[in-house]
This record gives sequence, structure tokens and C-alpha cells, in this order.
Amino acid sequence: KAGVTQTPRYLIKTRGQQVTLSCSPISGHRSVSWYQQTPGQGLQFLFEYFSETQRNKGNFPGRFSGRQFSNSRSEMNVSTLELGDSALYLCASSRKPLAGADSSTDTQYFGPGTRLTVL
Amino acid sequence: AQSVSQHNHHVILSEAASLELGCNYSYGGTVNLFWYVQYPGQHLQLLLKYFSGDPLVKGIKGFEAEFIKSKFSFNLRKPSVQWSDTAEYFCAVRTGGSYIPTFGRGTSLIVHP
Repeated sequence: KAGVTQTPRYLIKTRGQQVTLSCSPISGHRSVSWYQQTPGQGLQFLFEYFSETQRNKGNFPGRFSGRQFSNSRSEMNVSTLELGDSALYLCASSRKPLAGADSSTDTQYFGPGTRLTVL
Repeated sequence: AQSVSQHNHHVILSEAASLELGCNYSYGGTVNLFWYVQYPGQHLQLLLKYFSGDPLVKGIKGFEAEFIKSKFSFNLRKPSVQWSDTAEYFCAVRTGGSYIPTFGRGTSLIVHP
């Protein structure tokens, strides 16, 4: 079956602009999580959506937002871009939410990421 | 806030050598523990995970990890590495409270043929 897909794969923006990234989960998966990966901070959790509701949120400013659609596809938006937002943005999907009672039997599958460069 | 430490940032081994990558976390309560691997040019993927039960966990491709609660550790091991194990390895922890995963900074493993 098809894996997690992310679009676009590469993006170049300038400071002050906004950007929207898209993630299509594996068919049947209802949880989508977003992560930011940078050389300085490593992999950091941004937020999780399950059934169109934000379930968890990491320690990021309000400029970072997201949403999930009824088909489980998710988008994340970063407004007023800063140089420090340059990163690889990963999304991951799973059948169950991270905090689900039986999440031990579930697995997150990661996408290839979107490489965002802010100039 | 919880933290995850991976002590070895870069490891270089020859094929057939044994591997142990360290992972320590700071949270004292219930934890879920994970090791992920990212092969060159590929997606991040799960190697193994621990939620409860037997502290020795076996994963894919011959990897295993041992949860030692008293040492707050979850070290990854493989008795004999192959060139194809060259990759970046990440340890991650989720606590029972927030379920937000915290990742270590990663260990880059290079295996020489």
C-alpha cells in the first residue's frame, strides 16, 4: 500500500511569508503527527491530529498551526516565517492516536519530509 | 521537562563488529521507549519499541534493546553489524502523561565493509 506522502518536497520562502505543507497519511490511518527536524534542535514534536481534532501540541509558537480534513489529510501552516524555521518537516501517520489505550500495538509511519528553506 | 540523551554522536565500525548505542532519559514515571532508524535517502522507520513486559525487546534486522529502569536507559544492540546498517539512529521516549514523544539527537553509524 502507498506510504505517507508529503508535498511539496522542497520549498524556498523569504522571511515574513507564510507557508502551507501537506501530508497524506496511509489509507485507514486517522492520526497525523508533525515534527520539525533541524541540526541544532534535532527532531521535535509539533502537534498531532486525530479525527480532525488536535490532540497534542509541542512547545512551538502560535505561528505554527495545523488542521486535518475529514479524509485524514493534514496541513500545517507557518506564518511570518523566520530564518530559524528552516528545517525538514516530517509527518507521520498511525491508525490510533498517540495517547490511545492500545497504542502499543500501533506504529507510526513517517513520510519523506518537506525541506523548507527560509531566506 | 523530560530529556533524552544519546551519548554517541558518531560511531564507526567494521563489518561483523558488535554494536551498542546508548540512550538515557530523564523521566521517572511510566515511559514508552522507541528506537528509529533512518537509512540514507529513506524515511525514518521504527526499529523496535518497549511499552511493558519483557525488558529485552527484539526488533527488525537483528536489533534488540534492553530497558533498565534503574538506570533510565534503553540501549540498542546488535551482535554483528553489516554495511547496510549504516544509518542515523534515534532514541525516543513518550511519557505516560503527555504522550508527546521526545527524541534524542541521533547517532550516526558508519559501517565499513
